[in-house]
Amino acid sequence: ETGVTQTPRHLVMGMTNKKSLKCEQHLGHNAMYWYKQSAKKPLELMFVYNFKEQTENNSVPSRFSPECPNSSHLFLHLHTLQPEDSALYLCATSQPDREIYGYTFGSGTRLTVV
Amino acid sequence: AQKVTQAQTEISVVEKEDVTLDCVYETRDTTYYLFWYKQPPSGELVFLIRRNSFDEQNEISGRYSWNFQKSTSSFNFTITASQVVDSAVYFCALRMEGGSEKLVFGKGTKLTVNP
Repeated sequence: ETGVTQTPRHLVMGMTNKKSLKCEQHLGHNAMYWYKQSAKKPLELMFVYNFKEQTENNSVPSRFSPECPNSSHLFLHLHTLQPEDSALYLCATSQPDREIYGYTFGSGTRLTVV
Repeated sequence: AQKVTQAQTEISVVEKEDVTLDCVYETRDTTYYLFWYKQPPSGELVFLIRRNSFDEQNEISGRYSWNFQKSTSSFNFTITASQVVDSAVYFCALRMEGGSEKLVFGKGTKLTVNP
């Protein structure tokens, strides 16, 4: 257990569905991230939140919508996805002044779009 | 632009062999940080090491060792006497000092250690 919990672990959704991925941390970190991991591609940063404020959107399509209601929770709302959006979505956290320990990742949500 | 290259896509070794995972990075910044992460089949990325650009001293932690060479922009990772539990995908990553917090990852190297 890393202290970063992602739910669900697996998700299958149709292209017209709306679903949400959840990330919860108990580390007291101030920065939270969404990464996308597709087969045979580098991990891609999607969004960055610092102190609940979005500080980076890495040209992510609008069918992905992040939300950070408090410092412990991060959501990724999904709607009208495409099959190429199937991937492992990873949440990560960090504490900028204590990054000697690197970033802490959750186990990810394996998303399949059918 | 920042870039991390892990040229080895997959490596397969027999238990107790030593194995080195290569990482080459590109950056114009003088201050930066390099990381290695391990991703076991369970999915989460596990932090292994962080290095800043001013510290070229090599590091050893048990069976793991890292060789950082700024002259060749490389940060290679060696596992000595590999074990089956070392089987995983290993990622090298780069982050700039200040500004955005984001990590730039390589594509990863899948290591399989056979009994």
